[in-house]
Formats: sequence, structure tokens, C-alpha cells
Amino acid sequence: AQRVTQPEKLLSVFKGAPVELKCNYSYSGSPELFWYVQYSRQRLQLLLRHISRESIKGFTADLNKGETSFHLKKPFAQEEDSAMYYCALMGGNQFYFGTGTSLTVIP
Amino acid sequence: NAGVMQNPRHLVRRRGQEARLRCSPMKGHSHVYWYRQLPEEGLKFMVYLQKENIIDESGMPKERFSAEFPKEGPSILRIQQVVRGDSAAYFCASSPGTRYEQFFGPGTRLTVL
Repeated sequence: AQRVTQPEKLLSVFKGAPVELKCNYSYSGSPELFWYVQYSRQRLQLLLRHISRESIKGFTADLNKGETSFHLKKPFAQEEDSAMYYCALMGGNQFYFGTGTSLTVIP
Repeated sequence: NAGVMQNPRHLVRRRGQEARLRCSPMKGHSHVYWYRQLPEEGLKFMVYLQKENIIDESGMPKERFSAEFPKEGPSILRIQQVVRGDSAAYFCASSPGTRYEQFFGPGTRLTVL
């Protein structure tokens, strides 16, 4: 069965510290992986997708097929990064979302 | 482009009543997705529609729930005879095609008393 797991519900880091939000998936085919972000009082929006290999707002994510992971990383966290982050997998017609990780960056 | 619109933003219903949630996709988008977010859970896919067609409803409960996306007008998610367990946030997303980024609406928070 397709599944996306985000093991951390809450994550707090200090400003300037590195941050990693974990995402593991299970999918029988070739998945497309995404990270979505929801800032306070805003709607869910796409942060990045693995096929584009971009760095958005300093965030990167590498698809590791061996470990079936798609962790989101940023070397130096900023206060404005505080938000809810969702990892998502696209398979067939559907998006499968993880339960989300709430990131708080402490000034 | 106003983005994906959902209304109402908040909806309160008593048990047994009907709830109708509306979603207007972004201009030029013909694909609409509905998701439900229960407390403490992630977004769960419910249904995927294109104009006048249901493409995938594998995430929809078999009873009381239905969705449509008519040729004209918004997509509607309809919940008949609501129960307390239907209380959740319902999100709509739209895209121009199957393998494109989905753009999300602000959600409708349904509370069943």
C-alpha cells in the first residue's frame, strides 16, 4: 500500500541551526515526491518537487530510493521557516500526504 | 487569477442535516481534487474529478458522500445525513492536468453538532 510517513509531529530548532524534516514512503512504482508548506493563516502551497531538483527558500530534498526517503533539509533555519510541512507522493491519480511536521524556529 | 476558492469557510450542521461544500478551481484548471483532514491526521485523498466526470473516487466513503464537477459552476462535495465523525477540514485542489502541481484552496471547516 502507498504510504507517506513523517515521524516527527513537532520539530523545534534555533535560528541559524540546520534543519531536517524526515519523510519516508512506500510505493510499488516510480513515485514523484513533493514537499508542501502551510504558513500560518495561509493555504497549502508547493515548496518543491524532486524532479525539478531545485532549491527553494534554501530548502533542498533528495530522493533516496534505496532508503525510500525524501528528507527536507536547510543548512541555516530562519524564523520565517516556521510552518507546517507536508511530504506528499504522487502515484497514479492520487496524492498521498503525510501527517505533517510542525516546524518552529526559535529566535 | 484569484486562486482556488472554497465556500463556505466554516459550516456548522446538526446531525442528520446535509452539508454542501463548494470549490471553484483556478481559471484554466479542469482537474479538481478533494481531501479531508481529520484532527491529528494528514490530508486524505477523497475524489478526483474532471469536468462532468469522476475519475477516481477510491477515497470517498461509500455512503452519504458524493461529488460532482458540472460543466458550468463549481465542484460540489455533498455529505448527506452528517454525523459527528464528519467534522473535519475539507480541502479542494485544482490543477491543469494529471501530473501537475496541485493548487489548494483555503479549506472548509465542517463542524457537526
